[in-house]
Amino acid sequence: GAGVSQSPSNKVTEKGKDVELRCDPISGHTALYWYRQRLGQGLEFLIYFQGNSAPDKSGLPSDRFSAERTGESVSTLTIQRTQQEDSAVYLCASSLVSGRVNEQFFGPGTRLTVL
Amino acid sequence: GDSVTQMEGPVTLSEEAFLTINCTYTATGYPSLFWYVQYPGEGLQLLLKATKADDKGSNKGFEATYRKETTSFHLEKGSVQVSDSAVYFCALSGVEAGNNRKLIWGLGTSLAVNP
Repeated sequence: GAGVSQSPSNKVTEKGKDVELRCDPISGHTALYWYRQRLGQGLEFLIYFQGNSAPDKSGLPSDRFSAERTGESVSTLTIQRTQQEDSAVYLCASSLVSGRVNEQFFGPGTRLTVL
Repeated sequence: GDSVTQMEGPVTLSEEAFLTINCTYTATGYPSLFWYVQYPGEGLQLLLKATKADDKGSNKGFEATYRKETTSFHLEKGSVQVSDSAVYFCALSGVEAGNNRKLIWGLGTSLAVNP
């Protein structure tokens, strides 16, 4: 199992509920990213973790979104009080950050539907 | 700030036709450039990359050349197959402190190849 894994693959929730999405990066990858992909659109950066540095949260769309990462392993993205506009595919990626090349490996995504 | 612009789709071709998907970028310094592909129902995969001017990335019959003078990284394939039907994303990774962490993405170009 060498790839990035995400769970659940699909999540349907009601407006106002909280959801938690999980990402398991490739072992040894120090960098981890969360993106959002709305239907028919490109990828929207949400948050970035690199080792023990403070995460780059500049892409989080509101304070309802938060993410955590334990060391260089699992990360969880939490969306509180979900809204219909949060419906999207949430993608996680990990990479070995070395020099100028930043090749990211993506998980299959979690499709979130907020009713 | 850094940005990526790629041609809008959808692109529809017949099998064995020649493919070009244009991608231009705006960035300071010398970013790394990537093409990612997303096949129906699958996650994003790296297709090819180039890390410096005049580099040519190639994979699965696809090629793209890093053109510093025209700030372009156009994707080409001489003879497309039905199995190439997917969404193609152009992306760059900046090199300056503060942005060498996340990929900047184009909006994606959908390709449909008919038999």
